[in-house]
Amino acid sequence: QVQLQESGPGLVKPSQTLSLTCTVSGGSISSGSYYWSWIRQPAGKGLEWIGRVYTNGGTNYNPSLKSRVTISLDTSKNQFSLNLSSVTAADTAVYYCAREGWDLLGAYYFDSWGQGTLVTVSS
Amino acid sequence: DIQMTQSPSSLSASVGDRITITCRASQGIKNDLGWYQHKPGKAPKGLIYAASNLQSGVPSRFSGSGSGTEFTLTISSLQPEDFATYFCLQHNSYPRTFGQGTKVEIK
Repeated sequence: QVQLQESGPGLVKPSQTLSLTCTVSGGSISSGSYYWSWIRQPAGKGLEWIGRVYTNGGTNYNPSLKSRVTISLDTSKNQFSLNLSSVTAADTAVYYCAREGWDLLGAYYFDSWGQGTLVTVSS
Repeated sequence: DIQMTQSPSSLSASVGDRITITCRASQGIKNDLGWYQHKPGKAPKGLIYAASNLQSGVPSRFSGSGSGTEFTLTISSLQPEDFATYFCLQHNSYPRTFGQGTKVEIK
């Protein structure tokens, strides 16, 4: 069973770049056909999909964040990462990494998630 | 973006009860909907994909139905470990969007 674990600073200053890493264990990030995704949830609010990176490095981003987001793979470390630039207090949230796969009929699902990590944007 | 409206936002139930949670999509999404369970401090867990298919290892008391714009998650006999927050997620288009969640509490 694949396991995911988020890591990174819990406190980021306004206008700086938020950087998080998701470490994948129990399977290779470069094998199989999966999307590796980032999702966040501000306190008291709903979940927001940030974006994803495919096994071949291709990406999709939420248009609302696209100008500030970069998601990338590091196959040598079996990790993928999130960079969110020019952060404000509105970016304070619990950030989750997750794996999205699909079956033979093309039906998608998230089958593995990290526990989440709280990132606070404050000076 | 496709808006997902989930109801109720919370419910109180007893062990053994049958409960139903609903998600409505702002436009048709075929059967591209999943249901997930989330407990505080834990990783969310996938329950249902493609509206009605159980993910691996999920007990059969969980079931899903619907297509187009209206979907339901049913737990046929609530167990102590089922008290959690449940949310829906549409996989039809980008960006992926979520329901606001339903917190299932012990009565």
